[in-house]
Amino acid sequence: DADVTQTPRNRITKTGKRIMLECSQTKGHDRMYWYRQDPGLGLQLIYYSFDVKDINKGEISDGYSVSRQAQAKFSLSLESAIPNQTALYFCATSFRGWLYFGPGTRLTVL
Amino acid sequence: AQSVTQLGSHVSVSEGALVLLRCNYSSSVPPYLFWYVQYPNQGLQLLLKYTSAATLVKGINGFEAEFKKSETSFHLTKPSAHMSDAAEYFCAVSPAGAGGTSYGKLTFGQGTILTVHP
Repeated sequence: DADVTQTPRNRITKTGKRIMLECSQTKGHDRMYWYRQDPGLGLQLIYYSFDVKDINKGEISDGYSVSRQAQAKFSLSLESAIPNQTALYFCATSFRGWLYFGPGTRLTVL
Repeated sequence: AQSVTQLGSHVSVSEGALVLLRCNYSSSVPPYLFWYVQYPNQGLQLLLKYTSAATLVKGINGFEAEFKKSETSFHLTKPSAHMSDAAEYFCAVSPAGAGGTSYGKLTFGQGTILTVHP
């Protein structure tokens, strides 16, 4: 089984809809991250969490919110999706400077 | 503040040829530097990282990178390309130390797509 899993893997939604992307990990790491990948822009940090009670905004947090339900679960929400949030979203965990990425969720907002 | 510039969004080499992917960074504090690889429809996988020990870092799949402070560079090389090396490669930087709070807060370059021709 994969150490970092993301659901769904693909999602198509409409402008204005609320959507949640979920991330689970079995690595036992405290630190979890959400990154967004756009072609030609690399990855940008949306939110990160150092433990269940410690959540922080990244570079591009506007329009997103997160919830750390447990050490193993970190969800990303788009309260009202817009087309420029169409992207590939990655969850990651880290330990001693190593980032472990999930397989990604491809989100399309029409 | 920190930033990463990857020179060349696309690099094409022949199988067996040298692979050179360029990365220059800007950081106001000593950096940690990383190279990640992304195969189609997959997440990112760490190739190697520099964390202020040896300046020549060896990674997986025969890749290596050399940290050159004077040139603010961290170029990725492989002596002989293989077809399986075709992927997108990302250079990333984070501030070293900072009590560990920097871990995971990477700044990524825009990526370089490597194509390997038979």
